[in-house]
Amino acid sequence: QKEVEQDPGPLSVPEGAIVSLNCTYSNSAFQYFMWYRQYSRKGPELLMYTYSSGNKEDGRFTAQVDKSSKYISLFIRDSQPSDSATYLCAMTGGSQGNLIFGKGTKLSVKP
Amino acid sequence: NAGVTQTPKFQVLKTGQSMTLQCAQDMNHNSMYWYRQDPGMGLRLIYYSASEGTTDKGEVPNGYNVSRLNKREFSLRLESAAPSQTSVYFCASRDIIAGGLYEQYFGPGTRLTVT
Repeated sequence: QKEVEQDPGPLSVPEGAIVSLNCTYSNSAFQYFMWYRQYSRKGPELLMYTYSSGNKEDGRFTAQVDKSSKYISLFIRDSQPSDSATYLCAMTGGSQGNLIFGKGTKLSVKP
Repeated sequence: NAGVTQTPKFQVLKTGQSMTLQCAQDMNHNSMYWYRQDPGMGLRLIYYSASEGTTDKGEVPNGYNVSRLNKREFSLRLESAAPSQTSVYFCASRDIIAGGLYEQYFGPGTRLTVT
């Protein structure tokens, strides 16, 4: 079993839809959780991060971590065509630990 | 402030040829990374350098060598390219956000095809 599992999609939704992206993980030492967004033919960029369990909201984006289930989610409200990208989850135990990335979910938001 | 830059952007090699991918960052970061990204495989760490003068293997180091030339520059060398090394290569550097949480800054990538 890979340390981080992420459904690669692709996921296609109409503009204005609520999008849910998810990752599961197996390493209980992970405590920092991140979502990176990668536009086509570009490098990934950090979108959001959370520490341990709970929710974090930033505009239309909400990141959720459930450590008891080893499950993290990214919700996008009122999705826009400009949200079309690949979303990668990433996590680490912190400090000197390297990031472990999911495979990424390709999202397409249709006007 | 250019961030992380990579050269070249595109490259086609024949099997057995060698080449060096260049990476530089102007953010004064200590740690730098090389990843490859393949369809269905996600980002996989090839090598990293926690600080100037040190390098360590990542998940998929075979067939690659690295050099941390100075604090700014971290190069990746393919000594004898193979078709399995066809991929998009990303360089990244790391900066602290808070506590044990770090953000990685990625370059624009190098698209390499080995025929």
